[in-house]
Order: sequence, then structure tokens, then C-alpha cells
Amino acid sequence: GNSVTQMEGPVTLSEEAFLTINCTYTATGYPSLFWYVQYPGEGLQLLLKATKADDKGSNKGFEATYRKETTSFHLEKGSVQVSDSAVYFCALSRETSGSRLTFGEGTQLTVNP
Amino acid sequence: GAGVSQTPSNKVTEKGKYVELRCDPISGHTALYWYRQSLGQGPEFLIYFQGTGAADDSGLPNDRFFAVRPEGSVSTLKIQRTERGDSAVYLCASSKQGASTDTQYFGPGTRLTVL
Repeated sequence: GNSVTQMEGPVTLSEEAFLTINCTYTATGYPSLFWYVQYPGEGLQLLLKATKADDKGSNKGFEATYRKETTSFHLEKGSVQVSDSAVYFCALSRETSGSRLTFGEGTQLTVNP
Repeated sequence: GAGVSQTPSNKVTEKGKYVELRCDPISGHTALYWYRQSLGQGPEFLIYFQGTGAADDSGLPNDRFFAVRPEGSVSTLKIQRTERGDSAVYLCASSKQGASTDTQYFGPGTRLTVL
């Protein structure tokens, strides 16, 4: 079946540090890949997505590239801010699975000033 | 425009009771999803509606769980004979057409506590 594995957290960084959160997936065919973010006290919201191999999704300074050969979709940001503190979820969706989202366990990021 | 709304935001009930959780999706979205999120975990799929029909209910854990969407808009998740293990945040999401490439927009969730 489909599955998503995220790097274990929590992750604590200082402001302006470089961020990488690893995400790998298991799925047949060509899933769509997503990063969702949950800020404290708020609901899940889409951060970025990529729907085919080699696509790069980007938003708010975050980037992730869909790598079919390594089945990965790592999230990166060059310089994090305190306001980026949140829980980040990697997820995939496949047409043949009814387009449901399969999520990873989430990575808690804390950015200190 | 208005996002996905869910009511109530919090529900506390006693073991064995019946509960209903409501989801109001974004207007015009034909696809609606229910997920359940336990503490420290990612959301887990429960059921997917395309219009009025349940296109995929394979994530419902057992027959105590049931969901409806009679007019293709608002949906209600119903849990009978609640158990303490049902305690979680129940999330609803909607998307335009239900394609795997579509963005799913999530509501704020209903936190269910079964005492």
C-alpha cells in the first residue's frame, strides 16, 4: 500500500538557519506529493505541492522537488524565521486510491530567535 | 471566500453515547473527505464523498462509524456507541473535483473526547 516516511522530530533551529525535512514515499505509479503545515492553534493548510516527477513546488521560501528515482520529496528553506515554527506533514495522493491523502507522522519545527 | 467549517469545535461525551460531527465544505466543491488525527500522528483517512455518494469508505474503522452527505454539500459523521479509543481530532476537507492533483482544503477540526 501507500506510505509516507518523514524524518523524526522534533527539529529545533536558530533563526536564519537552513532547514531540511526529509520525506520518502512508497507508492506505485505516479502519486501527487504535498507538504501541509499546521501552525499552533490553526488548521492544516497546504504549503506546496508537485504533481509529476521533477516538478518543484515552492511557497513562502520553502521548496521541494519530486524525485521519482529516490522516491523523495524533501522540504527545504534557506533561512527559517520564528514564524515558521509549526508541524509539517508530507503527504501523497493517487487517483487509484480515490485521491485520499496518505500522511507522514509530521515533524515539529521550533525556530528560536 | 469562506473556508471549510466544522461544528462543534469540541465535543465531550460519555462512553456508549452517540455523536454527530458536521462539516460544511467550500461552496462548489464536489469532493469531501473525513480524516481522523490522533495526538502526535498524521491524519488518517476515513471516507471520501464524490457528490452525494460515498466513493470510498474503506478507512472507516468499524460499523459504529457512518457518514452521509445527502445533498452533496454538508456532511455528517456519525459515531454510535462511542469508545474511549475514538477520542481524536476529526478533520474534514474538500476539493474541487476529487482529482489526486487537487488541493484539499481542511477545516479546523472537531476535537472529540470520550470519557
